[in-house]
Amino acid sequence: DQQVKQNSPSLSVQEGRISILNCDYTNSMFDYFLWYKKYPAEGPTFLISISSIKDKNEDGRFTVFLNKSAKHLSLHIVPSQPGDSAVYFCAASGLRRNEKLTFGTGTRLTIIP
Amino acid sequence: DTGVSQNPRHKITKRGQNVTFRCDPISEHNRLYWYRQTLGQGPEFLTYFQNEAQLEKSRLLSDRFSAERPKGSFSTLEIQRTEQGDSAMYLCASSLYGRGKLSGANVLTFGAGSRLTVL
Repeated sequence: DQQVKQNSPSLSVQEGRISILNCDYTNSMFDYFLWYKKYPAEGPTFLISISSIKDKNEDGRFTVFLNKSAKHLSLHIVPSQPGDSAVYFCAASGLRRNEKLTFGTGTRLTIIP
Repeated sequence: DTGVSQNPRHKITKRGQNVTFRCDPISEHNRLYWYRQTLGQGPEFLTYFQNEAQLEKSRLLSDRFSAERPKGSFSTLEIQRTEQGDSAMYLCASSLYGRGKLSGANVLTFGAGSRLTVL
């Protein structure tokens, strides 16, 4: 049962343009959502999170939007830079913030110079 | 602080052999997690500890798998009688629970992983 889904395995975006990565979830009990970025031969690194009581959180070039009614979130990166090329994972955690994270399958983002 | 450290980084073994991976978390973190990642998939939860107590185990963790965190610091993940299906990246992560951190997402800090290849 895939509770967190990333339906686009890959995405290519021109440098300087906006990158939009999407994530859908099925479990309405999730209360926090996180985005991680992974380079080859490294572990995932935390990017940005959002609480289920918010609909937007921004940190520099990264903004996460949450649509609870649609059970959908997205990560916007603007402007996109070559160093943003990586695999991006969406993750969610349950009612107690200390619970484990459930990850999506990832989207490989390639920024074209 | 050097972050989360995992050893060995790569392990190649023959089917039926036992392997052990070690994880050293961030020193002030009291929660430690093990995940497994296979090609084209996201990290899948295996188990987690708070201090030395193992609080949850996934059904993915068959009886050939055992994890320990004897003194609430480093952890080991042992796989007995390895099978080809065990080939994966094993990721360790740690986080801080409680101790004044009352709100916010449970941000896990991951190590670089230990890649297992079973021949």
